[in-house]
Amino acid sequence: AQSVTQPDIHITVSEGASLELRCNYSYGATPYLFWYVQSPGQGLQLLLKYFSGDTLVQGIKGFEAEFKRSQSSFNLRKPSVHWSDAAEYFCAVAPDPNDYKLSFGAGTTVTVRA
Amino acid sequence: AAGVIQSPRHLIKEKRETATLKCYPIPRHDTVYWYQQGPGQDPQFLISFYEKMQSDKGSIPDRFSAQQFSDYHSELNMSSLELGDSALYFCASSLPPYGSYNEQFFGPGTRLTVL
Repeated sequence: AQSVTQPDIHITVSEGASLELRCNYSYGATPYLFWYVQSPGQGLQLLLKYFSGDTLVQGIKGFEAEFKRSQSSFNLRKPSVHWSDAAEYFCAVAPDPNDYKLSFGAGTTVTVRA
Repeated sequence: AAGVIQSPRHLIKEKRETATLKCYPIPRHDTVYWYQQGPGQDPQFLISFYEKMQSDKGSIPDRFSAQQFSDYHSELNMSSLELGDSALYFCASSLPPYGSYNEQFFGPGTRLTVL
């Protein structure tokens, strides 16, 4: 079955430490891949996306993600976390070029401790 | 830059009542998507419209209907509301969904509470 999996429900990280959020997908072909961030009570903001080409993509707010076809993964990273990065992060896919609706993972909640 | 506008931002209804949520896409975006995010859940696709025609349908209850108007704004109508309909409803808009993939831009959401 097609799916998007975020194995970590909740991650706590110290301010200034590095952060990595995992995302795995299960689709027949490489889908379009996205990471969104949602602050409490807010909408979804796109951090970055991967369609093709360079497997390391840079996004906003200092985030980057690496696509690994062999592992069907698209993990999100940030070298040094700020307190304002506390939020919920969703990995999402658009399965193919003719299917534009997004399927989301369950989300990972990030808590930043001082 | 203009963003997706949703109204109202908050809505409280009683069970069995009707609710109407509105979405105003970014100018020149003719494609609208609706998503439902239950408490502690990931957003689930409900329905989408392109050029005023329904283009795709997800897990949308029969009690819900939606349409896109000539000015490309969209309305989600929800009847016979149930407690389980309490959720954050997102609208997203994009350029036409054909050819290269066009990014969806999300609105701030409408939080519906059914009492």
